[in-house]
Amino acid sequence: AQSVTQLDSHVSVSEGTPVLLRCNYSSSYSPSLFWYVQHPNKGLQLLLKYTSAATLVKGINGFEAEFKKSETSFHLTKPSAHMSDAAEYFCVVSVAGSARQLTFGSGTQLTVLP
Amino acid sequence: DSGVTQTPKHLITATGQRVTLRCSPRSEDLSVYWYQQSLDQGLQFLIHYYNGEERAKGNILERFSAQQFPDLHSELNLSSLELGDSALYFCASSAGTGSIHEQYFGPGTRLTVT
Repeated sequence: AQSVTQLDSHVSVSEGTPVLLRCNYSSSYSPSLFWYVQHPNKGLQLLLKYTSAATLVKGINGFEAEFKKSETSFHLTKPSAHMSDAAEYFCVVSVAGSARQLTFGSGTQLTVLP
Repeated sequence: DSGVTQTPKHLITATGQRVTLRCSPRSEDLSVYWYQQSLDQGLQFLIHYYNGEERAKGNILERFSAQQFPDLHSELNLSSLELGDSALYFCASSAGTGSIHEQYFGPGTRLTVT
């Protein structure tokens, strides 16, 4: 079985300061991990993905995430927040042999203060 | 724009009714996934089709069914609707069935059951 835990339901940062959204996963097999973003009244957009290549993954809009197997973590970071980053972020795990469906975390709502 | 289209955008109907949600995947994708997003359950996988065949079922109720047609578009049928079925329904598509294949999400259909 696989699962994802997003450690913060809400994160608030000031514009121009770093962003850290935390995610821990549980998986019996080598996982593929993703971060998706959902802006209000919009669909989900893929930010980045890890599929057993480089452990530091760079995504769109300046986001990156580091896969740490020893800590079973896949935290999302960005050096400098922008107002347009305000959205809900989902950490997602997918494992071969689990019918390939995505298992979503509960989401982290990111607020960016001016 | 992900290239995945969903119709209708909004749907309002009464309890006990039946509705059909439609999804057109990206032109190169053979896999279609359906997800339900509700406030209490979060984002949950419902069902996966690959090239017309059902591949996996998640938390899909017996009152719900889906199919994928030869032209690869998919429909999700929801019957005997209850108030609790009110949610955002997403369709996603991917090129293959492996867990490394990222899924591209449509904008969703917001279903309101009154």
